[in-house]
Amino acid sequence: AQSVTQLDSQVPVFEEAPVELRCNYSSSVSVYLFWYVQYPNQGLQLLLKYLSGSTLVKGINGFEAEFNKSQTSFHLRKPSVHISDTAEYFCAVKRSSNTGKLIFGQGTTLQVKP
Amino acid sequence: DVKVTQSSRYLVKRTGEKVFLECVQDMDHENMFWYRQDPGLGLRLIYFSYDVKMKEKGDIPEGYSVSREKKERFSLILESASTNQTSMYLCASSLGGRAYEQYFGPGTRLTVT
Repeated sequence: AQSVTQLDSQVPVFEEAPVELRCNYSSSVSVYLFWYVQYPNQGLQLLLKYLSGSTLVKGINGFEAEFNKSQTSFHLRKPSVHISDTAEYFCAVKRSSNTGKLIFGQGTTLQVKP
Repeated sequence: DVKVTQSSRYLVKRTGEKVFLECVQDMDHENMFWYRQDPGLGLRLIYFSYDVKMKEKGDIPEGYSVSREKKERFSLILESASTNQTSMYLCASSLGGRAYEQYFGPGTRLTVT
């Protein structure tokens, strides 16, 4: 069975500092990987996705993530965060052979301080 | 822009009541999903639907049922609400071949007392 672990429940960081949100997954088959973001009082929206090809993927708002197959990780990074990046971030995985379900991690709350 | 709307942002119901949560999407998406979101547990899939009148159980279907009579509408039903169903409920939709790219509604925070 697949699972997703987000290693930090909360990440406080000062504005303009770099940030990394960690995500590890377990699966014995090929997977697709995703990061979703949930701003306060809103639904989730897709930040970026890895389906195949280059292991470094870029998303919206300056975020990027790197797929590392040997370490089964898909960490999210941003070189310089803004106050507006304060949100909850979810890592998700889907089997590439499966037409349906996403498996979500527990979520990481990014708190950007002025 | 894709829009997914949910009938209520906040809802308070009593134990034993039958509860309907409604979700409507306006982009002709084939797939629709219901999740519940709880702190520390992330999102867990309750039910999903690939087509009208078609449904499949997710990871936590117990205590819930769904209805999809029209393509744009997907309803979640709590037959007899219990306090452990107090949660945030999120609806999502996606195109048929892109089930991974889901568009979410703002959520309904349900409190069962």
